[in-house]
Amino acid sequence: DTEVTQTPKHLVMGMTNKKSLKCEQHMGHRAMYWYKQKAKKPPELMFVYSYEKLSINESVPSRFSPECPNSSLLNLHLHALQPEDSALYLCASSQEGGANVLTFGAGSRLTVL
Amino acid sequence: GNSVTQMEGPVTLSEEAFLTINCTYTATGYPSLFWYVQYPGEGLQLLLKATKADDKGSNKGFEATYRKETTSFHLEKGSVQVSDSAVYFCALRRALTFGSGTRLQVQP
Repeated sequence: DTEVTQTPKHLVMGMTNKKSLKCEQHMGHRAMYWYKQKAKKPPELMFVYSYEKLSINESVPSRFSPECPNSSLLNLHLHALQPEDSALYLCASSQEGGANVLTFGAGSRLTVL
Repeated sequence: GNSVTQMEGPVTLSEEAFLTINCTYTATGYPSLFWYVQYPGEGLQLLLKATKADDKGSNKGFEATYRKETTSFHLEKGSVQVSDSAVYFCALRRALTFGSGTRLQVQP
């Protein structure tokens, strides 16, 4: 299995809702990532987990809460989001180490009303 | 800090034309360098990478050479196809830093 699977593909939520994005990989990768991508922009790194521990948080607002329950799963919990948080959220995974390649999921497209 | 600068797009070419997309970087040391491609409605895929100076990455007819002296990693292809239409991102250090992306449109 050489894929990163993200669910849901599309999510529409109100500003008072609580929802979660999910990411799963079965490649034995020990690093997992969340990126946010706005239209016609590059992905912006949000969080990195290494061996199930949060290693990088790029000053992301607390309304985004990551969770890594085990080495195959990565969640992004969403609460009290703003319309400007609407974007494509990409999950990726890799082996640990500087030159290791990221494998990306297809993304979850989030719309906040 | 780390940064990547890519040429502005969109780049519009006719099929079989030669492609160059410029990428330069700022970083400490000798970071690994990558090109990723994003087709419409999809996530990113690795196109090629280079891990040290003078390395040449290549894949699907695309090539890029790690030039330490000019801190560059320009993407080239000798003959583009319509199916190459996508957004191309240069990236630094295991894709923790991306360039702004260059949209390529290839016309038949």
